[in-house]
Amino acid sequence: SQQGEEDPQALSIQEGENATMNCSYKTSINNLQWYRQNSGRGLVHLILIRSNEREKHSGRLRVTLDTSKKSSSLLITASRAADTASYFCAMNSNYQLIWGAGTKLIIKP
Amino acid sequence: DVKVTQSSRYLVKRTGEKVFLECVQDMDHENMFWYRQDPGLGLRLIYFSYDVKMKEKGDIPEGYSVSREKKERFSLILESASTNQTSMYLCASSLGQGLAYEQYFGPGTRLTVT
Repeated sequence: SQQGEEDPQALSIQEGENATMNCSYKTSINNLQWYRQNSGRGLVHLILIRSNEREKHSGRLRVTLDTSKKSSSLLITASRAADTASYFCAMNSNYQLIWGAGTKLIIKP
Repeated sequence: DVKVTQSSRYLVKRTGEKVFLECVQDMDHENMFWYRQDPGLGLRLIYFSYDVKMKEKGDIPEGYSVSREKKERFSLILESASTNQTSMYLCASSLGQGLAYEQYFGPGTRLTVT
């Protein structure tokens, strides 16, 4: 199965700034999920957006989905040092989860 | 909270050895998954199981087998370990059929084959 693509591969910003990560995919999807991975807590689910939804919020996270462009974005507002992690998108298509390669986010104090 | 545990955090094995990786979840989830994670490649699905004694191949099943004798336990077996199986192995579980639900991951096992 084809991987999703994430952009950028790495992102370094100052604490307090907003961080935006993008995900693109090739097939039709049922839903799209975002996960975070850091050394302390492993892979953790952040948010799920269904194919009939365009935007979803969870705390400082905002996810958008554009099915016509086959893309999604994850916005983290007012970043904190604890947001330093790798972020992955995963597309649910035909009973498989197709994972992106991840964006490595570093928050500088 | 859902808890997914894996038998080892770090494992070093020799080429040709048979390797068992164990995964246990405590939330009565139907679905369980084994992935491997390599830098720049994201997660790749090895096998998954949607019920006891049921298994389905993922994207990269070659060189691996699985066993699910009890609902809470899903084992990954490397029949004859090779150096290209050096990787991080992640187990996950999810509630319900299909993939409409989030997956819960274990801490991972970093396997080195020498």
